[in-house]
Amino acid sequence: KNEVEQSPQNLTAQEGEFITINCSYSVGISALHWLQQHPGGGIVSLFMLSSGKKKHGRLIATINIQEKHSSLHITASHPRDSAVYICAVMEYGNKLVFGAGTILRVKS
Amino acid sequence: ETGVTQSPTHLIKTRGQQVTLRCSSQSGHNTVSWYQQALGQGPQFIFQYYREEENGRGNFPPRFSGLQFPNYSSELNVNALELDDSALYLCASSLTGGYGYTFGSGTRLTVV
Repeated sequence: KNEVEQSPQNLTAQEGEFITINCSYSVGISALHWLQQHPGGGIVSLFMLSSGKKKHGRLIATINIQEKHSSLHITASHPRDSAVYICAVMEYGNKLVFGAGTILRVKS
Repeated sequence: ETGVTQSPTHLIKTRGQQVTLRCSSQSGHNTVSWYQQALGQGPQFIFQYYREEENGRGNFPPRFSGLQFPNYSSELNVNALELDDSALYLCASSLTGGYGYTFGSGTRLTVV
């Protein structure tokens, strides 16, 4: 079993839809990252969470430390949101362990 | 802020050769981590450097080695390249405690 599990693996949405990507992990962590990766490889850090909830524009990230679960929500999705979204947990020592990613495609 | 810069962006090598990949960390960041991302998979941790010392290593053989320099830039060296080493190699810099994790755009290595 992988230490970090993401669901769904693939997601296709219509423009304007509300999107949720889930992440569950099985190890002790100091923080959790949500990352966005576009074709070509570059990774952008969206959020770093250790508790509660964070919001940036149309993106919302939540984490429940007791349940070892986090969610990334995108409100009013847009085709430019199409990318791979990756959950990565930061183990003690600052090493990141990545999920396999969720491929999101938003159609207009 | 200059961000994290990796070079080269693309590289083709022959099996058995050696390769050096470079990473310039974001200004003020003292920690550099290297990751390997095979096609269709999430990145895997190779190792991390903090203040010029290796500070953690993933499940990679000794032919993967690294360096961090006094200006916190870093190199990843891979000896005796194998076909399975073909991947995107990502460098990330951060502050102590993992704050400000910033990724470079990666080096795509193809071994033929």
